[in-house]
Amino acid sequence: AQTVTQSQPEMSVQEAETVTLSCTYDTSESDYYLFWYKQPPSRQMILVIRQEAYKQQNATENRFSVNFQKAAKSFSLKISDSQLGDAAMYFCARMDSNYQLIWGAGTKLIIKP
Amino acid sequence: ETGVTQTPRHLVMGMTNKKSLKCEQHLGHNAMYWYKQSAKKPLELMFVYNFKEQTENNSVPSRFSPECPNSSHLFLHLHTLQPEDSALYLCASSEGIYSNQPQHFGDGTRLSIL
Repeated sequence: AQTVTQSQPEMSVQEAETVTLSCTYDTSESDYYLFWYKQPPSRQMILVIRQEAYKQQNATENRFSVNFQKAAKSFSLKISDSQLGDAAMYFCARMDSNYQLIWGAGTKLIIKP
Repeated sequence: ETGVTQTPRHLVMGMTNKKSLKCEQHLGHNAMYWYKQSAKKPLELMFVYNFKEQTENNSVPSRFSPECPNSSHLFLHLHTLQPEDSALYLCASSEGIYSNQPQHFGDGTRLSIL
């Protein structure tokens, strides 16, 4: 079965520091899309960042960047200069060849003031 | 973001009740989705609609009945639910089911079955 694994159920980081959330996946496909979504407590799931597998360059969005290792099937999210508003559940997802999202179980990120 | 709106935000119902969840999107999208989110588990895709036609039913029990009258509205009718159906139900929309563009989500309906 194609799966997405987030091995860290919970992570904590001091405000203003950097944290990396891990994500690995299993697929035999060569072309696909990867996503990180953020779900703050009692609020909407929103897209953080998106990566196309055929692009070698790692995607970045302001303080958020990814480390995409295609051969290792790894797609980690780095959050720099962590802020209190970054506290949320973070979900990694891969879009399969049927354009459906396969989700990880999520990582709860706690920001310590 | 108010692109996808879900009502109600919270719902408590008995196992014999009938209720409906509503989702509306204002993004001009053609595809809409229902997901079930349970704690510490990946999101489970339930139903997919494209141009108001159902394209996916992921072996969902018949006590969940979706309805999509147009591309902007999606309902989930609930009847004779079980305690294990308690979860957060998320609606999402996207440009289309064959698009690699991201899905946009609503706030969800927190459903509790007594």
